[in-house]
Amino acid sequence: AQTVTQSQPEMSVQEAETVTLSCTYDTSESDYYLFWYKQPPSRQMILVIRQEAYKQQNATENRFSVNFQKAAKSFSLKISDSQLGDAAMYFCASPNSNYQLIWGAGTKLIIKP
Amino acid sequence: DTGVSQDPRHKITKRGQNVTFRCDPISEHNRLYWYRQTLGQGPEFLTYFQNEAQLEKSRLLSDRFSAERPKGSFSTLEIQRTEQGDSAMYLCASSFSWEALPDTQYFGPGTRLTVL
Repeated sequence: AQTVTQSQPEMSVQEAETVTLSCTYDTSESDYYLFWYKQPPSRQMILVIRQEAYKQQNATENRFSVNFQKAAKSFSLKISDSQLGDAAMYFCASPNSNYQLIWGAGTKLIIKP
Repeated sequence: DTGVSQDPRHKITKRGQNVTFRCDPISEHNRLYWYRQTLGQGPEFLTYFQNEAQLEKSRLLSDRFSAERPKGSFSTLEIQRTEQGDSAMYLCASSFSWEALPDTQYFGPGTRLTVL
């Protein structure tokens, strides 16, 4: 079965500093989207950033950027200038052979004031 | 556009009872997904619809689970003869896409089910 691995169950970062969350996946598809979502405590899942696998350029959204290494099947999320509101569970997702999203177990991000 | 809504937000039931959840997707979205999420885990795919057609169903989904999306609008997820192992957050998401690839999904707040 295809899997998505987030090897960091929990990460903490000082406010205003930079943190990188890691994700590896093993889809056999050649063209796909990859996603990072955040889920704040008791709140709904929100899209953070999306990467199109056929694009060489790494996606960026304001303070959020990815480091996409297609050959290594690695898709890490970098958060710059961390803010208290960034505290949440972060989930990485990639498609399986049935075109359904497979999700990692998540990384809990703690922001230290 | 008010986003994806789910009802109820919380449901407590006794083992053996039937429960039904509702999801209203973003109005122009043609795809609707149901996921289950247990504490400390990512969402687990249950089933999805394209318009009113149920196109995929997880092998993990037992016969006690059934979902419908009449007229391609709102959807219901029913669990019959609930078991304590069904206790989880049930998430609904919707998207607009005609590609085979899963595109950006927009999530509702979820329904938390507790089976006593």
